[in-house]
Amino acid sequence: AQRVTQPEKLLSVFKGAPVELKCNYSYSGSPELFWYVQYSRQRLQLLLRHISRESIKGFTADLNKGETSFHLKKPFAQEEDSAMYYCALGAASKLTFGTGTRLQVTL
Amino acid sequence: GAGVSQTPSNKVTEKGKYVELRCDPISGHTALYWYRQSLGQGPEFLIYFQGTGAADDSGLPNDRFFAVRPEGSVSTLKIQRTERGDSAVYLCASGVGAGNTGELFFGEGSRLTVL
Repeated sequence: AQRVTQPEKLLSVFKGAPVELKCNYSYSGSPELFWYVQYSRQRLQLLLRHISRESIKGFTADLNKGETSFHLKKPFAQEEDSAMYYCALGAASKLTFGTGTRLQVTL
Repeated sequence: GAGVSQTPSNKVTEKGKYVELRCDPISGHTALYWYRQSLGQGPEFLIYFQGTGAADDSGLPNDRFFAVRPEGSVSTLKIQRTERGDSAVYLCASGVGAGNTGELFFGEGSRLTVL
């Protein structure tokens, strides 16, 4: 069975501070990992996926198979980053989501 | 350029009633998913369609829940004898491929409240 754990329900940081949203997963095979984001009053949308190895809106995430982690990072938080972030594991034709972390960026 | 469309956006019903929730995916997307999101939780998988067939319905909580996609496009999630615990936001998503290999595009959800 696959499982995704996001230990923090809320992460509050100041504008300009570094951000790290934690995600750990449990899966016996080779998963695909994603970060989805939901901004206020918008629908859930893909932020980035590990196979692309790209930076989106300044965010990056590295898959660490040894630690079974896929933490989301950004060096300098901006107000518009405030949103709900969900880590998701893709396996057996479906996505399994974590419980989400609300990122709050304050001035 | 419409995205995934879900209707109704809000549904209030009484315990024991029957409910249908509709999803209109992005044209050409063969993969369609239903998820349920309760307050404070992440989306929980219910069922996955590839074309007209349900490829994986392992997430349906019990036999009161059923979903169809007869022509490989629009899908309807049907809930019989609703219970208060069914109250949640029901999300539909579509994709070109299966969710584990490609991006899923989500609708805005149907908020179901069972009184």
